[in-house]
Amino acid sequence: SQTIHQWPATLVQPVGSPLSLECTVEGTSNPNLYWYRQAAGRGLQLLFYSVGIGQISSEVPQNLSASRPQDRQFILSSKKLLLSDSGFYLCAWSGGLAGGGETQYFGPGTRLLVL
Amino acid sequence: AQSVSQHNHHVILSEAASLELGCNYSYGGTVNLFWYVQYPGQHLQLLLKYFSGDPLVKGIKGFEAEFIKSKFSFNLRKPSVQWSDTAEYFCAVNMWTDKLIFGTGTRLQVFP
Repeated sequence: SQTIHQWPATLVQPVGSPLSLECTVEGTSNPNLYWYRQAAGRGLQLLFYSVGIGQISSEVPQNLSASRPQDRQFILSSKKLLLSDSGFYLCAWSGGLAGGGETQYFGPGTRLLVL
Repeated sequence: AQSVSQHNHHVILSEAASLELGCNYSYGGTVNLFWYVQYPGQHLQLLLKYFSGDPLVKGIKGFEAEFIKSKFSFNLRKPSVQWSDTAEYFCAVNMWTDKLIFGTGTRLQVFP
């Protein structure tokens, strides 16, 4: 069966420090991968998605970047964190069928607090 | 731009009460519709989804949702809630890609 892992679970970082959040998927190949940010009262906002190694699409302009160095690994990064980067970050995967009908499966999330 | 609206931000019910959570989307074309649930301390997980066919969709744990195309709605219902249904519920939609657009969520609290 497929599983999705995220780490760390919680992170407290000072403003201006770098960030690296990792997401890995097991039990499937060539998944679509997604990074979301969940803010209280604002639902989930799609930040990045990837349909393959090295293929990243950014949905919103921001201080973050994403990379996909391996088929089942998705990394969210920042060179210098801002206070506004605080939030709950969720990684998800889907099978990537055409037509948008695929269910997305979510990881446990990383809670980031920037001080 | 496409959007999803969940007008109930916080719902408080007693056990055995009936539940209906509203969800409206703004897109005139073909859509796929989802309800996700996030129980306290757990992953976001799929409750039910609609792609085509019968507009009344049955999900896990006794939940159902009805797609009403003329109203651009996909409301979630359960005839009798339980304390264990306490969670945050998210409506989501996608069109021709896998990218999901989420609503802001509804926090449901059920008291015994």
